[in-house]
Amino acid sequence: EIVLTQSPATLSLSPGERASLSCRASQSVTLRYLAWYQQKPGQAPRLLIYDASSRATGIPDRFSGSGSGTDFTLTISRLESEDFAVYYCQQYGRSPYTFGQGTKLDIK
Amino acid sequence: QVQLQESGPGLVKPSETLSLTCSVSGVSISSYYWNWIRQSPGKGLEWIAYIYSSGSTKYNPSLESRVTISVDTSRNQFSLKLTSLTAADTAVYYCARAGGFDYHFENWGQGILVTVSS
Repeated sequence: EIVLTQSPATLSLSPGERASLSCRASQSVTLRYLAWYQQKPGQAPRLLIYDASSRATGIPDRFSGSGSGTDFTLTISRLESEDFAVYYCQQYGRSPYTFGQGTKLDIK
Repeated sequence: QVQLQESGPGLVKPSETLSLTCSVSGVSISSYYWNWIRQSPGKGLEWIAYIYSSGSTKYNPSLESRVTISVDTSRNQFSLKLTSLTAADTAVYYCARAGGFDYHFENWGQGILVTVSS
């Protein structure tokens, strides 16, 4: 199975700053079939980005995704208070579909 | 809008079988692919299985021997059975909709915490 490694485990930033979250795959991700999800305490994950760079419906344009092959990045251009959460990447190009272990974005 | 709601027991004994149901509203279950995913502190997010309305299924090999997923189109529901439970199966179980196979998860239920304990 494809193992996804996210870094850093925790990222401490201030509102208004730029955040870059990394997701590295153990094998090339088929057709850039990689998604990013946001999860807040007590809630289910919410889809932010799919196909590596397409924003899901209703997601603000400060969220962007990039990458291909084995290296992917989620960028949040200017952090707002509601963006502090845990972020997961997920590949769906090859079964079993797998998730990274998450990056916690917290307020500095 | 699309809504999913998990239901089932919150506490199950070791060696028993877990049965969960996901009720879908806002869309026909006859379209799309329907998934079960779980989240535990130890293993993080883990995809379990999907089913299409035709009955076509796919399972995570790590759980395949213990899992059955089924669909009831008349009730717009799908279900999960997980046998031979151990403490390692303690997790929040989510149901989720995907637009196809090899697809991202577009909608999630709120999740149900299942604890395996005697």
